[in-house]
Amino acid sequence: NAGVTQTPKFRILKIGQSMTLQCTQDMNHNYMYWYRQDPGMGLKLIYYSVGAGITDKGEVPNGYNVSRSTTEDFPLRLELAAPSQTSVYFCASRPSGATEAFFGQGTRLTVV
Amino acid sequence: KQEVTQIPAALSVPEGENLVLNCSFTDSAIYNLQWFRQDPGKGLTSLLLIQSSQREQTSGRLNASLDKSSGRSTLYIAASQPGDSATYLCASYSGAGSYQLTFGKGTKLSVIP
Repeated sequence: NAGVTQTPKFRILKIGQSMTLQCTQDMNHNYMYWYRQDPGMGLKLIYYSVGAGITDKGEVPNGYNVSRSTTEDFPLRLELAAPSQTSVYFCASRPSGATEAFFGQGTRLTVV
Repeated sequence: KQEVTQIPAALSVPEGENLVLNCSFTDSAIYNLQWFRQDPGKGLTSLLLIQSSQREQTSGRLNASLDKSSGRSTLYIAASQPGDSATYLCASYSGAGSYQLTFGKGTKLSVIP
């Protein structure tokens, strides 16, 4: 009963480094999302996908890239990490229709 | 663009009290509204999802209502307990097809024993 799994849980990056945040779900959901949460702020949408091979930008996509080669996986790529990308990142998924969304436990990223 | 506001930002109540958390949204053409709970350093746990055709949804001591015409939703917690202490987030579903969730900043609830 895994649901939405994110790895790693914590990571410290140096400015200019790159990394991939992994997200996988075992519920066969079509829709997947990446959000970031900054202290005192709501969650902001970075990218989303409506199915394998289809992705689109959200509210704050700059500095990030995504891919969706399978239904299960939706990795988020950070190129040239910047301090402004220090945040907690959440992955979410849901079935088709305006249905309940399920969230992973988050990845806490610090860029120094 | 949908904007979601939650008032108050923080709330402290004694154990046993009934309380109401408020959520308002600017675009009444929402599809659904979902309430979440977030514990410190943890992910989001779904509490209740209200379909656009529904007026309220109940789970245990929790009751959520939705009034699309006024752009408001409330989360009612009965007989609060210290274990209810957490941040509560509401999110509206908008954007036909992709149904993107737009979040409020949350209400941080502290229930004092």
